Amino acid sequence: QKEVEQDPGPLSVPEGAIVSLNCTYSNSAFQYFMWYRQYSRKGPELLMYTYSSGNKEDGRFTAQVDKSSKYISLFIRDSQPSDSATYLCAMRGSGAGSYQLTFGKGTKLSVIP
Amino acid sequence: DSGVTQTPKHLITATGQRVTLRCSPRSGDLSVYWYQQSLDQGLQFLIQYYNGEERAKGNILERFSAQQFPDLHSELNLSSLELGDSALYFCASSVRVGPYEQYFGPGTRLTVT
Repeated sequence: QKEVEQDPGPLSVPEGAIVSLNCTYSNSAFQYFMWYRQYSRKGPELLMYTYSSGNKEDGRFTAQVDKSSKYISLFIRDSQPSDSATYLCAMRGSGAGSYQLTFGKGTKLSVIP
Repeated sequence: DSGVTQTPKHLITATGQRVTLRCSPRSGDLSVYWYQQSLDQGLQFLIQYYNGEERAKGNILERFSAQQFPDLHSELNLSSLELGDSALYFCASSVRVGPYEQYFGPGTRLTVT
């Protein structure tokens, strides 16, 4: 079992839809959770950064972390064609030597005008 | 633009050769991370440097090595290249060692023929 599982999609939604992206993980040492957006042939761009369980909102994006279920989500409201990209979840521990990121394989999202 | 720069953008070379990838972190960032992204493995952590010193190692092959120089730029050296080394190589930087955000560069696409 991989440490981080993410449905690769592809996921296709109409413009204006609410998008839900998810990851599950197995390592209980993970404390910090991130979502990156990666456009084709570009570097990952940090979207959201959260610590431990709870919700965090930034504009149209909401990140949720449920440590008890080892499950994280990213919601995108009022999705736009410019949101079409691959979304990567990432996570890491809190101790020294554990700051490197472990990534899911990414979910490819297409928002259709 | 994350502020992390990587050169070259593309590299095509033959099996058995050696290449050097270069990364300049964001201004003020002391920590540099190298990641490899392939279609089958996704994004995987290779190695981390902080202020010139190696801090953590991931799934880095013995044929690969890295270093961080006094001006904080970093180089990833790949030798005895194999077809399977073809991938995107990303550098990320953060302000210090610790649970700080990592910002990714645009990557170097390596093709081994």
